[in-house]
Amino acid sequence: DAGITQSPRHKVTETGTPVTLRCHQTENHRYMYWYRQDPGHGLRLIHYSYGVKDTDKGEVSDGYSVSRSKTEDFLLTLESATSSQTSVYFCAISHDGGYTFGSGTRLTVV
Amino acid sequence: GEDVEQSLFLSVREGDSSVINCTYTDSSSTYLYWYKQEPGAGLQLLTYIFSNMDMKQDQRLTVLLNKKDKHLSLRIADTQTGDSAIYFCADGNDYKLSFGAGTTVTVRA
Repeated sequence: DAGITQSPRHKVTETGTPVTLRCHQTENHRYMYWYRQDPGHGLRLIHYSYGVKDTDKGEVSDGYSVSRSKTEDFLLTLESATSSQTSVYFCAISHDGGYTFGSGTRLTVV
Repeated sequence: GEDVEQSLFLSVREGDSSVINCTYTDSSSTYLYWYKQEPGAGLQLLTYIFSNMDMKQDQRLTVLLNKKDKHLSLRIADTQTGDSAIYFCADGNDYKLSFGAGTTVTVRA
């Protein structure tokens, strides 16, 4: 998807363990986002970044942290995974008024 | 999120027109978007409209925006089985997107 890749694509983890999801872009865009998708809620913004080391919270940021040490990578960390964080996670970049999304990471917390 | 609302389901016969409606609350939205998501896939941008426009047409897609009522609609002409998907309305402001819950469109033969 337009130079944006997410890894891993699928992950199963145990409650209480830390998990890190990676978003990588190849086009040097300034803004990057992490969303989660759950039935009946659409996509909800977790955190976003507007530059290296510049991040801010979205509407559902509790239990998540992010880091952006270089332009191309935006990492999402679940500090101690809970079952309520079972979801599909999408990374996105914004460019010229549009947004492009990655293919998603399906995370299951058991 | 709660700032963008859309009906959850729409069933339409193949060949008919589909109309998906959306309401939003943020009057300062710059762009409004329609995304399509097929099963197991990511989000595909279908079309978008700038907030100072009333209408935008792109092949089978027509977007209507009523800024006074904060109402957005997407019309798909000659709906095909490949149009079966979830359609998300989103409004863009402050470099962020807010999404509706999505409308599941089912096309029946």
